[in-house]
Amino acid sequence: GAGVSQSPSNKVTEKGKDVELRCDPISGHTALYWYRQSLGQGLEFLIYFQGNSAPDKSGLPSDRFSAERTGGSVSTLTIQRTQQEDSAVYLCASSLSSGQSNRFFGPGTRLTVL
Amino acid sequence: SQQGEEDPQALSIQEGENATMNCSYKTSINNLQWYRQNSGRGLVHLILIRSNEREKHSGRLRVTLDTSKKSSSLLITASRAADTASYFCATAGYTSGNTPLVFGKGTRLSVIA
Repeated sequence: GAGVSQSPSNKVTEKGKDVELRCDPISGHTALYWYRQSLGQGLEFLIYFQGNSAPDKSGLPSDRFSAERTGGSVSTLTIQRTQQEDSAVYLCASSLSSGQSNRFFGPGTRLTVL
Repeated sequence: SQQGEEDPQALSIQEGENATMNCSYKTSINNLQWYRQNSGRGLVHLILIRSNEREKHSGRLRVTLDTSKKSSSLLITASRAADTASYFCATAGYTSGNTPLVFGKGTRLSVIA
């Protein structure tokens, strides 16, 4: 399958620990997005990568959150010193570079901070 | 902040009935998209309607867009139990490239067999 993949699918961590979430976008998709979805809520935009341009970090909730995209492909979202309110499903999506196209979402990583 | 606001928040219907969900937004858009989410995980794109379109069909789905009212509706005809999911509208603004979509909180649809 050539869809967006995310790992791990579930992550349980203790408050104060750092976590890394990984996203493998669809090959050839130059745009990559991270969203967060808390229980029963809509999607909250976190960060957006487009090609080699500087990422749009306007949605990151605090400086504990950061993301990288290496080689224009795989992306890692890092949350430092996790808090209980960070518990959510973290969704990654990718899309083609041209136009305002639809996004292809991965299955998400469910993060639980104890 | 969320731009799209779906209505109703939850909808329960019998199998075979039609389901209508509405979405309102606040600012000018390039296009509006509807997504489905099963079991709180990955979203699946359903349909995209551009700002210069008024209606679009895809199988049992019909989407309308009224830019003067800044609203859209998603109609699922002859619903099935498998249509049970959360449905989100998302808007894309008028900028170049792929700007982040802004999602609403969704409508939880339950189709009872």
